[in-house]
Amino acid sequence: GAVVSQHPSWVICKSGTSVKIECRSLDFQATTMFWYRQFPKQSLMLMATSNEGSKATYEQGVEKDKFLINHASLTLSTLTVTSAHPEDSSFYICSARDPGQARNEQFFGPGTRLTVL
Amino acid sequence: GIQVEQSPPDLILQEGANSTLRCNFSDSVNNLQWFHQNPWGQLINLFYIPSGTKQNGRLSATTVATERYSLLYISSSQTTDSGVYFCAVDDKIIFGKGTRLHILP
Repeated sequence: GAVVSQHPSWVICKSGTSVKIECRSLDFQATTMFWYRQFPKQSLMLMATSNEGSKATYEQGVEKDKFLINHASLTLSTLTVTSAHPEDSSFYICSARDPGQARNEQFFGPGTRLTVL
Repeated sequence: GIQVEQSPPDLILQEGANSTLRCNFSDSVNNLQWFHQNPWGQLINLFYIPSGTKQNGRLSATTVATERYSLLYISSSQTTDSGVYFCAVDDKIIFGKGTRLHILP
C-alpha cells in the first residue's frame, strides 16, 4: 500500500507558540490530503481537506485561522497550529489517497502527538 | 451527513476466541474501510470493502451495501489483535466511534 509519513511524531510546546506538522506521501503524489484530530479514547474527527495549489476546505467548527493548512506540492501538506493552547493538545493524523489506484482507499500517517503546556 | 455506528463499543475475549464487529451506516456509500489502531496510534488498513466479502488470514469482512452494514470477523484471536477497530465510510472517511477489543492471554 501507499506510504504516508508525518513529522514530528510528537511535540511539546509552550502555550502561545505555533507548531507545524508535516504530512508527506512517500511513493505517490496526492492532490488531496485530509487532516484529523483524535482526543484520548475518542474517534477521529475530520478537520479539513487539503487541496494542492488551492485553499483548504475546513469542516464546520474548525477555525481556519487557528489551523493553517498549506498544500504547496503534490507530496507535502502542512498543518500549523497557531498560538497553541492546552486545549489544542491532541493526536493529529493525516491521510492521503493514491490517485494512481482505481479505488478510493485512504492511507494514514503515523500521527503527531501535540502537548501544549 | 452520514452517520456511522459501531458495535459493540467494548469487547473483552479470551485468546483463541472468535469475534464479530459490526458497522452500520445511515446512507449509501461508495467507500468503506476497516482499520486497526495500534497502541501507538497508527491506523493499519485492514480492508477496503465497499461491498462483498474479503479474507486476509484470520480476518475477514463482509459489506452488504443494500442493507447498509459491514461486519469484521476475527478468528482465533491473539493478544496482538488488541486495540481499537474503526469502520470509516465515504470519500471524506467519516469514522465510527470504534470497537475497543481486549484479548486476554
